[in-house]
Parts: sequence; structure tokens; C-alpha cells
Amino acid sequence: EAQVTQNPRYLITVTGKKLTVTCSQNMNHEYMSWYRQDPGLGLRQIYYSMNVEVTDKGDVPEGYKVSRKEKRNFPLILESPSPNQTSLYFCASSLRLPLEYTFGSGTRLTVV
Amino acid sequence: KNEVEQSPQNLTAQEGEFITINCSYSVGISALHWLQQHPGGGIVSLFMLSSGKKKHGRLIATINIQEKHSSLHITASHPRDSAVYICAVTVELETSGSRLTFGEGTQLTVNP
Repeated sequence: EAQVTQNPRYLITVTGKKLTVTCSQNMNHEYMSWYRQDPGLGLRQIYYSMNVEVTDKGDVPEGYKVSRKEKRNFPLILESPSPNQTSLYFCASSLRLPLEYTFGSGTRLTVV
Repeated sequence: KNEVEQSPQNLTAQEGEFITINCSYSVGISALHWLQQHPGGGIVSLFMLSSGKKKHGRLIATINIQEKHSSLHITASHPRDSAVYICAVTVELETSGSRLTFGEGTQLTVNP
């Protein structure tokens, strides 16, 4: 089944403890991106990647890192999480732009 | 002012009613997307439009590039259509790549 897989679905962590949210797609998509969704603010783009080894900042990149060492994986790294990064995170991919996106199931992150 | 504005924010309908959700944007775009987010949080891509009109089952999406406006119509609405509908636009960047910018969503509730 063609899909974008995010892990974990739920995560509660403490301030400052490094964490990684994984994202993997099995559709050979070139484009991958990360978003966060917050009440009243909607979805906002964190980082995106046009292809392997090509990444760039979105609208809200502060406090996040990404890497794209291989086509299928695009992990989101929080080196030192803070409570303001508590949010619902989505990974998405597209064969290329501008084509339809496929979204992962989301990761609900709570930083205490 | 948001680059993507949706109306209404909330919509309650009776089963069988014809529903329209509107989206206006203020930037140049390469594509417009309609997304559906169910209470569980998952996001599904319904349509991607760059011109004209698309139909899928009871859902119809239209776009007017000159007026920078799109509508999502649901015919013969059903309680299972209850969800948040999100309009998003792909904006090409001058440097490279693109970003996806989202409206805040329309919460649709269809009562039996």
C-alpha cells in the first residue's frame, strides 16, 4: 500500500531531551515536507526537501532540524525540545510539485 | 492578513443539503489543494487544481485563477462528510522550491 509512515503516533517527553520523529514513504516521491498544526494557527510548514540532500526552511523552522540522506526517509529532529513545540506534526510527500500530497497519520507531541 | 482565507469557519448542515466552502488567496500560486481532516486527525488530499473544475463522487471543486478564488461543493451531504476541510495553495519560491500555505479550515458538521 502506498503510504507515508510516521512514528511515533504519540510522544510525551521532557524539555531538553533530544528526539526524532521518523517519516518514510514508499512511493519514490521526490518532495517531502514537515508541518505542525496548532489551534487557531492551522498548519504551518517547518521544513521541506525537494530531493535527496536538498532541504530548506519553511515558515517555522526554529528549533527543528531535518535530513534527507535517502529518498524515502525525512526525519524531523528536535535537538532540545521546549514546551512551545507541543503540537500535532504531519509529514507529507509528493511525486513532484505541483502534484497531490500524501500525508502521514500525524504525531502528537507533548513537551513538559 | 492570511494569504489563504476560508469561509465559513464553521458550518452545520442537515443530511442531504448542498454545501459550499469558499477559499480566497492573495498570492500567485501554481496549484490549489482541498484537504479533508477527520476527527482522528488524519489528512487526506481531496483535489489538486490549477484551473477549471474537478469532480469526485459527490465532491466538486472549482477554481477561478483571475479572481483568486476556489469553492468546494458537497452534494447530498451525509453525516460521514463531517470533518475539517482545509484549503491550501502551492506557492513557488523565487530562490528554489515551493511552500504550501494553508487556510485555517472549515469545520463541517452534517446532522442526520
